Amino acid sequence: GQNIDQPTEMTATEGAIVQINCTYQTSGFNGLFWYQQHAGEAPTFLSYNVLDGLEEKGRFSSFLSRSKGYSYLLLKELQMKDSASYLCHNAGNMLTFGGGTRLMVKP
Amino acid sequence: DTEVTQTPKHLVMGMTNKKSLKCEQHMGHRAMYWYKQKAKKPPELMFVYSYEKLSINESVPSRFSPECPNSSLLNLHLHALQPEDSALYLCASSQARGLNTEAFFGQGTRLTVV
Repeated sequence: GQNIDQPTEMTATEGAIVQINCTYQTSGFNGLFWYQQHAGEAPTFLSYNVLDGLEEKGRFSSFLSRSKGYSYLLLKELQMKDSASYLCHNAGNMLTFGGGTRLMVKP
Repeated sequence: DTEVTQTPKHLVMGMTNKKSLKCEQHMGHRAMYWYKQKAKKPPELMFVYSYEKLSINESVPSRFSPECPNSSLLNLHLHALQPEDSALYLCASSQARGLNTEAFFGQGTRLTVV
C-alpha cells in the first residue's frame, strides 16, 4: 500500500543495534508513523515524524528525510522482546501499511 | 480511556452462518477502520468510516458488510464466508481521517471459517 518499501525480514543479536529502513512515495506525504506488532497481537504506536531529523524515545529512535522519502527506525540495546514486526506508515488520507519488517532477535 | 474493544476475541463459524464482529471506542475518534490480517502479513485495509459514513471500501467482497451505528461503534457483518476468509480482523480508530494522529487498535477477532 502507498508504495512503501521495507525489508521483509531482519535478524539481530540481543544487545546490538538494528536499523530498519523504510522508503515511501513522497506525494501526499502527511507524516510517517512506525508501529510495532507482536505475533497475534494488535499493532501499537511507536513514533511519528513529520519534520526532518531524528526523534528519540528511549531505546527507539526514528529518523525522517522528506526530500528523500526515507525513514528509519533505530532500535538500541536489543532485547528478546523486540522480536516483532515493524510497520512503516505514511499518514495520508488512508491508514494503509507497507509490508512490514519481521525482526528476529537472537541470544 | 484509550482502548478499542473488540468482541468476540475468537470466532469459529460455518460457511452458511451469519455472524457479526463488534468494535467500540470511547475516545471521541471520528475515523474507524476494519483490517484483515493473515499470518506473517501486514494488516490489509478493508473499510474506513469517517464521521459515521463509509468513505473507503477497498474492493471487499459483499459477504463482508460494515455498519457504523454511531460514532463509538463499528460492526462487521459476516455471511457465507469462505475458509480463506479465516484471519485476524482488527478494528482501529483515529481522531479523524487524514489527521496526523496515531491509530489505536483493538486486540482483534481471530476468525476461523470451517
